[in-house]
Amino acid sequence: QSALTQPPSASGSPGQSVTISCTGTSSDVGGYNYVSWYQQHPGKAPKLMIYEVSKRPSGVPDRFSGSKSGNTASLTVSGLQAEDEADYYCSSYAGSNNRRVFGTGTKVTVL
Amino acid sequence: QLQLQESGPGLVKPSETLSLTCTVSGGSISSSSYYWGWIRQPPGKGLEWIGSIYYSGSTYYNPSLKSRVTISVDTSKNQFSLKLSSVTAADTAVYYCAGSTVPWAFDIWGQGTMVTVSS
Repeated sequence: QSALTQPPSASGSPGQSVTISCTGTSSDVGGYNYVSWYQQHPGKAPKLMIYEVSKRPSGVPDRFSGSKSGNTASLTVSGLQAEDEADYYCSSYAGSNNRRVFGTGTKVTVL
Repeated sequence: QLQLQESGPGLVKPSETLSLTCTVSGGSISSSSYYWGWIRQPPGKGLEWIGSIYYSGSTYYNPSLKSRVTISVDTSKNQFSLKLSSVTAADTAVYYCAGSTVPWAFDIWGQGTMVTVSS
């Protein structure tokens, strides 16, 4: 199974918005509304930020939002803050045998 | 709340079997409300799903690792385990155990444990 495609990097100034894309196929992202997004700070475990395309777990700020169109999912971080600087990974259910696939990861820099 | 903790050797020799255990606290591993998984991350690289196990005991593995992976549950110890056989240097990574209380995503993560494959 191939990794989902994300841009290597994205950046924005404090207070601005940044959007990260996650492109897959009709067998994963496009076929199911089971896309999730994770934030990972250096040396730390990933943290779930979005699940089922656009749902936020308890405690995740509403500055984080998710969407999907066709085979591409997106994560938008609005009102960027310094603590949002991290690596972000998307993930999708990939059908048969309950497979999961992760994205290639995007490093978000707050300028 | 649920907490997970990985344990196991930090160094494994090539061709041997990597064995890790994840201890679950704050909830029952056999609850139908949860499922469990292993994810790894080679140094400087991205995340890779290894496999998942459900309360029913059903297991699902990454096709690229399936021939070498076994995930199992020990309900008496509230633990689940990973075995990866015939390891090579390419299996060097931080290994995370994770749990899911929401649909199709891992919302509970262990701190991760670094495993190096080297002679």
